[in-house]
Parts: sequence; C-alpha cells; structure tokens
Amino acid sequence: QSVLTQPPSASGTPGQRVTISCSGSSSNIGSNYVYWYQQLPGTAPKLLIYRNNQRPSGVPDRFSGSKSGTSASLAISGLRSEDEADYYCAAWDDSLSGHVFGTGTKVTVL
Amino acid sequence: QLQLQESGPGLVKPSETLSLTCTVSGGSISSSSYYWGWIRQPPGKGLEWIGSIYYSGSTYYNPSLKSRVTISVDTSKNQFSLKLSSVTAADTAVYYCARHGTTVTTELGYWGQGTLVTVSS
Repeated sequence: QSVLTQPPSASGTPGQRVTISCSGSSSNIGSNYVYWYQQLPGTAPKLLIYRNNQRPSGVPDRFSGSKSGTSASLAISGLRSEDEADYYCAAWDDSLSGHVFGTGTKVTVL
Repeated sequence: QLQLQESGPGLVKPSETLSLTCTVSGGSISSSSYYWGWIRQPPGKGLEWIGSIYYSGSTYYNPSLKSRVTISVDTSKNQFSLKLSSVTAADTAVYYCARHGTTVTTELGYWGQGTLVTVSS
C-alpha cells in the first residue's frame, strides 16, 4: 500500500503546463528529499528529479520539482506527446526505514 | 555507462522461493560506495521498494516483506541477488534492480530493464 498519494490521472494539450501533486507525511516528504520517476509505456522507470528540484543530466528543463512541508509537485511545461507516461514520486520514510513510492499519475497528452 | 541486468526464472510455483540476480557492468559494486536495490511492479500497478544492500552486505528491507526477503551481494561476480520465499500469486510482478546514490535514502538513478516473474502452478 502506497504511503504517498498522487492523483491517478492528469492531462493537457501540447504546449500546456501540467502539475502533479504528491502528498505525504512528516516522516517521509516532511523530512527527506523527494524524487520523481517517469515510466514510459513498457519500459523501466527513469529518474526525472532528485533532491526535490534537481534534474539529472539529459532531463529537459521543462520538468521541474518543488516541495513544501509534507507535499511535493512535479510540473511539466510545454507539454509534448512524448511526455505521455506514468509519473511516480518517492521519498525515504524514517518511520518505515525504507523507500516509499507514490500511487502514480498517468499523464495523457490530448 | 553503468548497466544493470536482471536474470532468473520467469515462472515460480506457489510456496516456493523466487530467486533473481542482478549483474552490474560498467562499474564495480565493491569499488564505489553505492547502495543497490530491488523494486517490483505488479502488472498494471505501481512501484514497490523491496529492499537495498550496500557492497559490504548491510541491508534494508521493506517491513511488509522483511520476513520473506533476503538480499545478498557477490562482489567477485559484480552481482547482487534477491530471494523471496513462500511466494503467492500476489508476488507476480516485474522485478527491477537499481542503484542508489551513496546512501540508501537517495534516489534510484540507474535501473535494469526489469524481468517478469509469474507465480503459478
């Protein structure tokens, strides 16, 4: 059972901005970094954001992350068809002494 | 470029033990201070962290699976492995191996392609 809550779906037209929320608690998001992963259909997850708002080399600056208190958000600006994927937030949970993932959000480009 | 590759049986019988190995290439498990982890994803569902191991053998496990999971490392073969005992149909999933940063609390920056394990008689 996922500890981090995300909306099941989000959508937008090409060029629009889409935001995905991730709600946690003081033991995970509230006290640790948030990570975001992108999973294209039929492929392994790929790290999109680390340390709340840092992008690995090669990730477009259209993707941005933020965190406030026990919640985090991923924003995709200038939405493109290739952004259609499932997106997961994640964080370390001090109470569980383990990683927890979000429920996942499917982004559809209309 | 670091690469990870999962291997093991694609079909396991109920009540038996699931065994998978992750082979690391493009880098040495023992020469770098990273944690290595296992994650799974049931068909059509979300991601679940199973556990992680340091090259020295120190482990962290998901509390919900801890009683059935063993993760080990073989630095001579540049591999780490997963054993999950007493499996049921609920353990049917794509299993991924991945590498953390320098502590277990950090991101999973490198992933294998995943391997589907089906639990069925």
